[in-house]
Amino acid sequence: KAGVTQTPRYLIKTRGQQVTLSCSPISGHRSVSWYQQTPGQGLQFLFEYFSETQRNKGNFPGRFSGRQFSNSRSEMNVSTLELGDSALYLCASSLVWTGDGYTFGSGTRLTVV
Amino acid sequence: SQQGEEDPQALSIQEGENATMNCSYKTSINNLQWYRQNSGRGLVHLILIRSNEREKHSGRLRVTLDTSKKSSSLLITASRAADTASYFCATVRAYTGANSKLTFGKGITLSVRP
Repeated sequence: KAGVTQTPRYLIKTRGQQVTLSCSPISGHRSVSWYQQTPGQGLQFLFEYFSETQRNKGNFPGRFSGRQFSNSRSEMNVSTLELGDSALYLCASSLVWTGDGYTFGSGTRLTVV
Repeated sequence: SQQGEEDPQALSIQEGENATMNCSYKTSINNLQWYRQNSGRGLVHLILIRSNEREKHSGRLRVTLDTSKKSSSLLITASRAADTASYFCATVRAYTGANSKLTFGKGITLSVRP
């Protein structure tokens, strides 16, 4: 079966711009989570969606937002990009939101210049 | 903040040797998971151990959990060059209802020399 698909793979944006990243979970998976990975802060939780509802949110500024559609696909948006937003953004999907093993996508590498 | 702290931060071994990686955490957990990451790619789920379990095996992997010490170890037996990667432990906290997020440690870089 197809894995978790994240698009685009790589992205270069300028400070002040906004960006939208997409994640298509494994078919049948209804929970989608987003994580940010940087060399300094490591892997940090952004938010989790289940059945189009945000169930949990990490400690990120309001510039980071997300949503989930009825087909479970999810998008995350970052507005007013800062240099520090440069990171690998990972999406993970699971059947339910209970915290059992997740399947991760290959990530979107965002570079802000 | 990081929940898990892996030890050592970097490990270099010869192919065929065993690799042991440790993880400590701070709060009560529902489960603990180990993931592998190759060269900044996505994370691959290796194994999950629940708080009421003490040991699990999966192929060449053996994970133990000691909730009294809030620690876990991952053993990779008969290592291969293909095991070269970063390894992360991640915890899901207990008693938090809908809070099922993973809290990761900083990771261990494993290098397996051919």
